[in-house]
Amino acid sequence: KAGVTQTPRYLIKTRGQQVTLSCSPISGHRSVSWYQQTPGQGLQFLFEYFSETQRNKGNFPGRFSGRQFSNSRSEMNVSTLELGDSALYLCASSFRTSSYEQYFGPGTRLTVT
Amino acid sequence: DAKTTQPPSMDCAEGRAANLPCNHSTISGNEYVYWYRQIHSQGPQYIIHGLKNNETNEMASLIITEDRKSSTLILPHATLRDTAVYYCIVRVANSGGGADGLTFGKGTHLIIQP
Repeated sequence: KAGVTQTPRYLIKTRGQQVTLSCSPISGHRSVSWYQQTPGQGLQFLFEYFSETQRNKGNFPGRFSGRQFSNSRSEMNVSTLELGDSALYLCASSFRTSSYEQYFGPGTRLTVT
Repeated sequence: DAKTTQPPSMDCAEGRAANLPCNHSTISGNEYVYWYRQIHSQGPQYIIHGLKNNETNEMASLIITEDRKSSTLILPHATLRDTAVYYCIVRVANSGGGADGLTFGKGTHLIIQP
């Protein structure tokens, strides 16, 4: 079974721009969670989507948004990029909502200059 | 969620069993123990989880003490590729209210020596 895939793997953007990241979960998994990982703050939860509905949200500003499609693929968008948004963005899929048995993708490394 | 305590680092010889301890003395009855690892520059990888019985899968074994206050992750035949940071997490499984996400502490940096 193919794992979680994320595109693009690397991205360089300028402050003020916006970015869209994509995640394809493991086949059959309907829950997708997004995380931001930085050396200083560690792993931080952004949001979880299940059946196209946002089920929970972490403590991030409204510039961070996401959506999920009927095929369970998910996208996250960050608008008005700031230097502090430079991070590894990880997507994780699971079979059920509220599950902590999550399977992570390789991440998208975003650099904001 | 219960707090967990892990040693910051451990060494293990290649081919030997790696035993990684975790203390979770404030764990409550409906909380599971989860283990993840993260190899440098890769996404975290789920390893195993359990409630009170010992669990085994193709990657590892999880031994939970009878009082559930501590657990040990066992990698039976460690290889160089097992060098990673290992995280022990305690969570209520399937709370139904939407996952509030995983958070990792500092974990244990396991170094497999050739």
